[in-house]
Amino acid sequence: SAVISQKPSRDICQRGTSLTIQCQVDSQVTMMFWYRQQPGQSLTLIATANQGSEATYESGFVIDKFPISRPNLTFSTLTVSNMSPEDSSIYLCSVIGLRTEAFFGQGTRLTVV
Amino acid sequence: AQRVTQPEKLLSVFKGAPVELKCNYSYSGSPELFWYVQYSRQRLQLLLRHISRESIKGFTADLNKGETSFHLKKPFAQEEDSAMYYCALRTGGYQKVTFGTGTKLQVIP
Repeated sequence: SAVISQKPSRDICQRGTSLTIQCQVDSQVTMMFWYRQQPGQSLTLIATANQGSEATYESGFVIDKFPISRPNLTFSTLTVSNMSPEDSSIYLCSVIGLRTEAFFGQGTRLTVV
Repeated sequence: AQRVTQPEKLLSVFKGAPVELKCNYSYSGSPELFWYVQYSRQRLQLLLRHISRESIKGFTADLNKGETSFHLKKPFAQEEDSAMYYCALRTGGYQKVTFGTGTKLQVIP
């Protein structure tokens, strides 16, 4: 199994500012995934972060808005830039275990005012 | 493109009644299907996956390729089963996982 620590657990931010979310895994993993879960909706994959290369973004998500860093095999950050109220959501970090199941961080609940 | 459909947003059952949470998928290849559960104030976690063919907390799920379904079942619901349940599809050879919209199961005492 994998243990994922994600922080902050929640934050309230002013519109126009940026927030960086950190994700730390207790084991080395090739890929880390960032999801968004908007109120009442499912998890939507934002991007896949590979160590040593640029992140791969899903349709509708761009690097300028959601820059991602992946400096090593156990850590990643997601920045939500120039925030607006529409960015209010839960952001989740995830990795895939050896048995192909997904493990998740506890999530970051972001409120933009 | 792959898709996962959970038609029910909310399912309310009485304690001791059978439970069936529906999940349908669309994918042209060989799917790998999972059920994830999120209890109140806890993180999302794996409940079971089809290749294990196991029963977890009394829940089972059978992959029906003909009907492209992976419904989650439990013969007798318990109050502690109240949670949010997500069906998920992982496509072979790639670690991307597609989630359904989730079903909130409410077990009434």
